[in-house]
Amino acid sequence: SQELEQSPQSLIVQEGKNLTINCTSSKTLYGLYWYKQKYGEGLIFLMMLQKGGEEKSHEKITAKLDEKKQQSSLHITASQPSHAGIYLCGAHKAYNNDMRFGAGTRLTVKP
Amino acid sequence: KAGVTQTPRYLIKTRGQQVTLSCSPISGHRSVSWYQQTPGQGLQFLFEYFSETQRNKGNFPGRFSGRQFSNSRSEMNVSTLELGDSALYLCASSLFDRAPEAFFGQGTRLTVV
Repeated sequence: SQELEQSPQSLIVQEGKNLTINCTSSKTLYGLYWYKQKYGEGLIFLMMLQKGGEEKSHEKITAKLDEKKQQSSLHITASQPSHAGIYLCGAHKAYNNDMRFGAGTRLTVKP
Repeated sequence: KAGVTQTPRYLIKTRGQQVTLSCSPISGHRSVSWYQQTPGQGLQFLFEYFSETQRNKGNFPGRFSGRQFSNSRSEMNVSTLELGDSALYLCASSLFDRAPEAFFGQGTRLTVV
């Protein structure tokens, strides 16, 4: 079973709408990462969160890590077709580079 | 600055054969991690190399192996290929082991027939 649970599994939104993707862990997260992947291609690093309560933004994408460091959310404002893809959250298993990933959320943005 | 380069991009092999995939990390990065991505299992960690030493290994059979060279380039090898080895193989590069950020290559799509 996945150590990181992402929800929803897929999302279809109309262009211009806001959306949120969640990533939940049963254990404390030592660094939470968000990546975007176009089908069959490599992962593009979006953001990294390490401190409880931390929030980061890049263009129209905002990610937060809750105080207990067990859940993160990725919020996209005014979605565009270019936001379409698979969003994956990843986290280190303790302090090493063994990163575990969620199953991903497939986002479709309808023009 | 060049990104992570993986070669080849696509590969078709027959069951029982072996395959070698290559990954050149970002210049200056010394850590390379390998992942397997399949529709059923998602992204799974294979192993991580730093300074030519394997630091961590995921839960994969011994048919999967790797190495890292002094210039930080890494190769992974899969012997006695099985149909289930068909996947996208991704490598990630980091400045050092336990570095907070990892940058991924485009991947090698391996198809075993």
